Amino acid sequence: GAGVSQSPSNKVTEKGKDVELRCDPISGHTALYWYRQSLGQGLEFLIYFQGNSAPDKSGLPSDRFSAERTGGSVSTLTIQRTQQEDSAVYLCASSSRREQETQYFGPGTRLLVL
Amino acid sequence: KQEVTQIPAALSVPEGENLVLNCSFTDSAIYNLQWFRQDPGKGLTSLLLIQSSQREQTSGRLNASLDKSSGRSTLYIAASQPGDSATYLCAVNNQGGKLIFGQGTELSVKP
Repeated sequence: GAGVSQSPSNKVTEKGKDVELRCDPISGHTALYWYRQSLGQGLEFLIYFQGNSAPDKSGLPSDRFSAERTGGSVSTLTIQRTQQEDSAVYLCASSSRREQETQYFGPGTRLLVL
Repeated sequence: KQEVTQIPAALSVPEGENLVLNCSFTDSAIYNLQWFRQDPGKGLTSLLLIQSSQREQTSGRLNASLDKSSGRSTLYIAASQPGDSATYLCAVNNQGGKLIFGQGTELSVKP
């Protein structure tokens, strides 16, 4: 079946603009995760959703970052008033259960803030 | 706070060699540990997942071991091939599902 998909694959924006990144998880997966990969920080957790539970937002770097998951499937990560330090690859992953299952990653969205 | 370290940061070997990549973590209270492969400009591909109750997992030429008490995992690659060239990432899951990643080992296998 289809894997995790993300769109857009690349995004170039100007400092101060808002951006939305989309993730379509594997069908039937109840857990969805967002991570960020940047040169200086490596791969870091941002937020995750598990079913109808409140999301774990502990990794979001600032209140400019938010995410939602509609209907338990598609998720959107929104970055408001983008800054140059937001430039990174944003990766989405999904798994069938929260703690014990393999996380499957999408190809990522490469964000460049000019 | 969980910290994950991978050694070496980079490794270059001739084709056919067996090799070992190392991963260490500071908090042994983990649910599982996962090894990934990342090709340049691509996402992550899951290679092996070891649950906290397991000692090792094997898939083809790959074997991953876990010593939870000492906070160590190794990824053994047998008979390396140029197609194995990639960055290998170790990640531990010890709090609510989120993965904590190491910085990765960049592997180059020369023909």
